[in-house]
Order: sequence, then structure tokens, then C-alpha cells
Amino acid sequence: AQKITQTQPGMFVQEKEAVTLDCTYDTSDQSYGLFWYKQPSSGEMIFLIYQGSYDEQNATEGRYSLNFQKARKSANLVISASQLGDSAMYFCAMREASYGGATNKLIFGTGTLLAVQP
Amino acid sequence: EPEVTQTPSHQVTQMGQEVILRCVPISNHLYFYWYRQILGQKVEFLVSFYNNEISEKSEIFDDQFSVERPDGSNFTLKIRSTKLEDSAMYFCASIGGTGSGEQYFGPGTRLTVT
Repeated sequence: AQKITQTQPGMFVQEKEAVTLDCTYDTSDQSYGLFWYKQPSSGEMIFLIYQGSYDEQNATEGRYSLNFQKARKSANLVISASQLGDSAMYFCAMREASYGGATNKLIFGTGTLLAVQP
Repeated sequence: EPEVTQTPSHQVTQMGQEVILRCVPISNHLYFYWYRQILGQKVEFLVSFYNNEISEKSEIFDDQFSVERPDGSNFTLKIRSTKLEDSAMYFCASIGGTGSGEQYFGPGTRLTVT
């Protein structure tokens, strides 16, 4: 069964520094997608970045990058130049694509609460 | 930019009552989902819906729950005979069915069962 593990319940980072949020996954599928979502205190889920299992390059979106290490089954989120507004809960999620493809459900990790300090 | 909307933002109900949570997915999207997040916990999949029928449901989604797309725009989650443990944030999500499959989430409905 597919599984997402986020081992850091909470992280602190100084403003303007980079931070890495860890995510490991387990799946028997060869084709899958990995996502990161941000959940601020207001509660909404904000999509940040996506990595496909066959993508050879790490995904980047502005200050967000995904450090994808397929052999280690890890998909860590790197936030560069942290800002106070980055303080939020961050969830890693996976979607298997063996059946139903891009429309399959997401499986979420337990999240990491990031606090950016001035 | 188009977005998923949900109403109400917060619903308080008494145990045993029925509630209907409403969602308006992005207009050209074809696949719809409900997820649940109990306070302080991870987001859990409840059900997916395509072509006017359930395509997958989790073990959480028992006979107490039902989904419906009553017209071309709304997507509803009905919870019959609510229990205290149904208190959670409920998220609706939708995707168009192409590309990366990024699911666009609504802002959520916080359900409090007293």
C-alpha cells in the first residue's frame, strides 16, 4: 500500500535562510506523482509543486524546489530565502497512476509545521 | 483565476442531525473529490466522483455519507446522523483530468458536531 512519511513534526528557520522539509514515500507503482501543499493557519490547501516519477529534472516553482531522489524514495521540499509568510503546515502527498492515471486520489503525509523567525 | 468554492465556511450541528456540505468545482473540471481533516491530523481521502458516479471511496466513507452532483455546477457531501467524531474540516477538490493531476482544493468547511 502506498504511504507517505514526514518525520519532522515541526521546523524552525530564520528569515531569508533556506529550509528543507523531508518526505519519503512507499509505493510499488512505477508511475506516480508527488505533490507539496501549504496549509496556512486560515486552513486552505495551497498547491506548491509537483514532481512526476518519470521526470528527470527536479521540479522548481519560484522559491520552491523539490529534491527528488527516486532510488531513496524521497521528495524533499526546499524553500529558499524563507519569508515570514512561509510559516504554515506543509503536506507532502502522492498519487499513484497505475490505474486511473492523473485522476487518482491523493495520499497525504502527517505534515510539517514550519515557523519562520525574524 | 478560477477556483473551487465551498459553503458554508463553518457549520455547527447537533449530534444526530443531517448536514449537507456544498462545493462548486472549477467549471470545466470533470473529477471531484472530498477529503477530511480532523483537527491537527493529516488530510484523508473520502471519495472521488466522475461521470455522475462514485469512482472510488475510502473505508471512512460508509453508509452515513453520500455524494451528489445535483446540477451542472454543485457537488455535495451529505452526512446523515452526524456523530461527534465527524467534526473536521472537509475539503472539496477538482481536476480537469489532464496534465499533472494537480487537485485544486476549495477553502474547506469546518464542521463542528456538538
